[in-house]
Amino acid sequence: AQTIHQWPVAEIKAVGSPLSLGCTIKGKSSPNLYWYWQATGGTLQQLFYSITVGQVESVVQLNLSASRPKDDQFILSTEKLLLSHSGFYLCAWSLNWGANQDTQYFGPGTRLLVL
Amino acid sequence: GQQVQQSPASLVLQEGENAELQCNFSSTATQLQWFYQSPGGSLVSLLSNPSGTKHTGRLTSTTVTKERRSSLHISSSQTTDSGTYLCAIDRGGRALIFGTGTTVSVSP
Repeated sequence: AQTIHQWPVAEIKAVGSPLSLGCTIKGKSSPNLYWYWQATGGTLQQLFYSITVGQVESVVQLNLSASRPKDDQFILSTEKLLLSHSGFYLCAWSLNWGANQDTQYFGPGTRLLVL
Repeated sequence: GQQVQQSPASLVLQEGENAELQCNFSSTATQLQWFYQSPGGSLVSLLSNPSGTKHTGRLTSTTVTKERRSSLHISSSQTTDSGTYLCAIDRGGRALIFGTGTTVSVSP
């Protein structure tokens, strides 16, 4: 069975500090991977996607970066947090890129509060 | 403006009642998906329905691509259906654009 794990579960960070959020998918090889962000009370926005190791495409610019160092790992990071980075971060995977019947499976999410 | 609009913004139901959620989008889409977001935030994909009618359990989605609209019908609502329902369309096949959601509250 496939599992998707996100870490940390929640984080409180200071403005200007670095951030690293992680996502691991087990039980699936070569998944498509996605990062999403949702401000409190806001609309869910897709940030990045990755089709293969080492390749990441940006969808929305939020002064964040993403990397895919391994087939099953997706990392979201920044060197300097902004207050506007607060919110809920979700990682997801899928198998059929761009297909009409593609289903995305989401992790439990990470809540981030920047003070 | 908002590319994906959902209505109503919120809905209060008595257990057993049916509900109809609407999604209107301003650009052509090859993907249209409905998601459920729990009060805790986790997201589950419910249906992928770019055109026509699809059923899963007590959910029925009807998408009329030419009219750029989709609906999600919940039949015989249960308290566990409470949460936020999100509609999303593709963005050139590379990303999803989400609507603001319909928050459903089902009371026993």
